[in-house]
Amino acid sequence: EAGVAQSPRYKIIEKRQSVAFWCNPISGHATLYWYQQILGQGPKLLIQFQNNGVVDDSQLPKDRFSAERLKGVDSTLKIQPAKLEDSAVYLCASSLNWRGEQFFGPGTRLTVL
Amino acid sequence: DQQVKQNSPSLSVQEGRISILNCDYTNSMFDYFLWYKKYPAEGPTFLISISSIKDKNEDGRFTVFLNKSAKHLSLHIVPSQPGDSAVYFCAASVSSSSGSARQLTFGSGTQLTVLP
Repeated sequence: EAGVAQSPRYKIIEKRQSVAFWCNPISGHATLYWYQQILGQGPKLLIQFQNNGVVDDSQLPKDRFSAERLKGVDSTLKIQPAKLEDSAVYLCASSLNWRGEQFFGPGTRLTVL
Repeated sequence: DQQVKQNSPSLSVQEGRISILNCDYTNSMFDYFLWYKKYPAEGPTFLISISSIKDKNEDGRFTVFLNKSAKHLSLHIVPSQPGDSAVYFCAASVSSSSGSARQLTFGSGTQLTVLP
């Protein structure tokens, strides 16, 4: 069974630029999550989708971050404009349903200069 | 406000000995606890979990203990192997009020090094 795929794996941008990350969850998984992991900290949930609807985005900085999940499968997370403090690893995870075990992708390491 | 704390950033253990990783939490509403293992350049992988109605769960070499009165859980690895060297994250969750989401709150992780 293929795991959660993410791209790109690494991205370096300058502050005020925009960036987008892509996630392809495990086939059949209805729930998709985006996490931000800052160096030295644990992952922090940004947004949770159930199929193509948002269930929880209470910790998403909506002035600069946006996310969508088209057709309930792939998802993109966008930052516009980026700030220095956005430097982190962005992890995507999926689960069969909202109660299920979360499977994580390898993450995208973002560096904002 | 850190609701889940792992106060030891690192731990070194000799191969074959027991590794004990600790985690404290503050939110009494947490009803499910998990441990994840993370290797460099990979995402976290689920290791073991425990419901708040239990005080112990065992899976092979891994055992998680939950002390609700102390708001403390620990992960025991016996015997420790060099391949266990990784960052271990403790996570806790509570169902949302709508009953349609289960948000994980992670600790900051403990780097375990098992020395051959």
